[in-house]
Amino acid sequence: AQKVTQAQTEISVVEKEDVTLDCVYETRDTTYYLFWYKQPPSGELVFLIRRNSFDEQNEISGRYSWNFQKSTSSFNFTITASQVVDSAVYFCALSVDTNAGKSTFGDGTTLTVKP
Amino acid sequence: DAMVIQNPRYQVTQFGKPVTLSCSQTLNHNVMYWYQQKSSQAPKLLFHYYDKDFNNEADTPDNFQSRRPNTSFCFLDIRSPGLGDAAMYLCATSRALGTEGTQYFGPGTRLLVL
Repeated sequence: AQKVTQAQTEISVVEKEDVTLDCVYETRDTTYYLFWYKQPPSGELVFLIRRNSFDEQNEISGRYSWNFQKSTSSFNFTITASQVVDSAVYFCALSVDTNAGKSTFGDGTTLTVKP
Repeated sequence: DAMVIQNPRYQVTQFGKPVTLSCSQTLNHNVMYWYQQKSSQAPKLLFHYYDKDFNNEADTPDNFQSRRPNTSFCFLDIRSPGLGDAAMYLCATSRALGTEGTQYFGPGTRLLVL
């Protein structure tokens, strides 16, 4: 069975601070994908990134960066110089082919960025 | 822009009165999903269609049904809504089933049961 743990339920930072959202996953599959989604107050889940299990290269996209470490089964997400518009719930998810590719979601981390 | 559309964004129904939520997509994706998301919780998969093949999650109540008349549209029918069915309902699509299938979500329909 698959499991995704986002230990941080809520995080509050002040604008321009850097913030890291943690994600730890469990699976016995060797082939899997990890995702991050952003859910702003409007409700829509916005896809941010997909990473496969064979690619441990870290990725940077503007103020967003992701650190994938198989040794610790973690896929952490960092926002640099946070902005008020980053306030949202962020979900980490795991997908494996042995589960028909269906995603297992973590419980989400609510990020509040204060001006 | 290609997208996933859900109507209505807000739906109010009465206890026990059937309600239908709709989803359409312009992405021409093979797979369509319905999720239920309650406040402060992760989305919970109810079922999905791969083309016309329907796949129900084991713990999805019989009260929830779905129809997919064509590639573009998918409906969620709640036959007799209870107070516990009040939630956000999210539709998603993906090109393929399996780990290649990144899911793209619609804006959701928030259901209120009175």
